[in-house]
Amino acid sequence: DTAVSQTPKYLVTQMGNDKSIKCEQNLGHDTMYWYKQDSKKFLKIMFSYNNKELIINETVPNRFSPKSPDKAHLNLHINSLELGDSAVYFCASSPPPAGGGYTFGSGTRLTVV
Amino acid sequence: GEDVEQSLFLSVREGDSSVINCTYTDSSSTYLYWYKQEPGAGLQLLTYIFSNMDMKQDQRLTVLLNKKDKHLSLRIADTQTGDSAIYFCAEKGGADGLTFGKGTHLIIQP
Repeated sequence: DTAVSQTPKYLVTQMGNDKSIKCEQNLGHDTMYWYKQDSKKFLKIMFSYNNKELIINETVPNRFSPKSPDKAHLNLHINSLELGDSAVYFCASSPPPAGGGYTFGSGTRLTVV
Repeated sequence: GEDVEQSLFLSVREGDSSVINCTYTDSSSTYLYWYKQEPGAGLQLLTYIFSNMDMKQDQRLTVLLNKKDKHLSLRIADTQTGDSAIYFCAEKGGADGLTFGKGTHLIIQP
């Protein structure tokens, strides 16, 4: 069973569209995250959720909104997609306390055309 | 602010040892991590070390931590072609989430 799974794996869409990426973890972890990896492979944290509370929100445009229906899910919704949003988005989770190993999903490659 | 630095490329010959270095600035770092990313794949946790340790060994991998100098290294013994990947150093400081270095591309020469 996949510990952290994200869908879709690939997403190609036009500028201006709204899209969502889904993430689910079956590890029983309390905290989930979204990271963005750009074309140079640089990884930056976007959001984290702990028990449905947003506890980190880096300087991310408000077109991006995380939504957590329950502890096992953290979805990423993006409005009005721009070319610069093209990247690989990784979901991750960590056990409490937020130390030990963070487990990452396999990534969603978003291409905006 | 938090910053993690590592060299972008390292080239080694097959069978030699690879040593990937990383420095960080956050003195409140509690855990330090090494992740591996193969082409087109996700992030695989290789190993991590708690900040009160100075060494951790796991089969071919040896992690050394010099907390005074804020320096972390990953040694891969007997490097194989399958070790070719990007290796990310990451630290967990006061805030939640991880701060990553820019990744070291490990290139294996036959």
